[in-house]
Amino acid sequence: GENVEQHPSTLSVQEGDSAVIKCTYSDSASNYFPWYKQELGKRPQLIIDIRSNVGEKKDQRIAVTLNKTAKHFSLHITETQPEDSAVYFCAASSSNFGNEKLTFGTGTRLTIIP
Amino acid sequence: IAGITQAPTSQILAAGRRMTLRCTQDMRHNAMYWYRQDLGLGLRLIHYSNTAGTTGKGEVPDGYSVSRANTDDFPLTLASAVPSQTSVYFCASSPTGAAWGDTQYFGPGTRLTVL
Repeated sequence: GENVEQHPSTLSVQEGDSAVIKCTYSDSASNYFPWYKQELGKRPQLIIDIRSNVGEKKDQRIAVTLNKTAKHFSLHITETQPEDSAVYFCAASSSNFGNEKLTFGTGTRLTIIP
Repeated sequence: IAGITQAPTSQILAAGRRMTLRCTQDMRHNAMYWYRQDLGLGLRLIHYSNTAGTTGKGEVPDGYSVSRANTDDFPLTLASAVPSQTSVYFCASSPTGAAWGDTQYFGPGTRLTVL
């Protein structure tokens, strides 16, 4: 089955700086990679996703990049703000039968320092 | 529109007791999922249902059972709770019957403590 590793487990950045979270996956058939944000005591919510037919996707201050050859993908947050403080989870899944379900990384706790 | 709801919000349970966590969605989503969240381990899939009347096992199904009698409800049952089942449980749903490429919408979670 799929194995997703996420680094770092904790990250602190100064407000206004950029934050980068990286994930690697093991199943070369994986082709869908979402990122979820979970604020303290709240439910996870999708913030951005990417499919394997593109290498990069941006949504305002958030971007995700994908390198299928190296089997890794990253979340980039620019101009960080206090409300970006949360736990971020990457995930991966495949359109192949039996591997459609999401496998999540272990999460990154991001703290924005004012 | 409530979206997806879970009950109870939290529960303390004696080991060996039976417990059912409830999950209801009003978005007419086909697929529903149960995850457990443990510190340092992220979200792990327990069971899922691609459509009413069908269920499947996830990554950590042992000790849990589910049913999907209709589109809206997806209860999770612990037949005989053990302390290792102490966790936060999230229910989720997605519009189509296939998880690939589908946004999952999570419920607010149930914090379960087994003593």
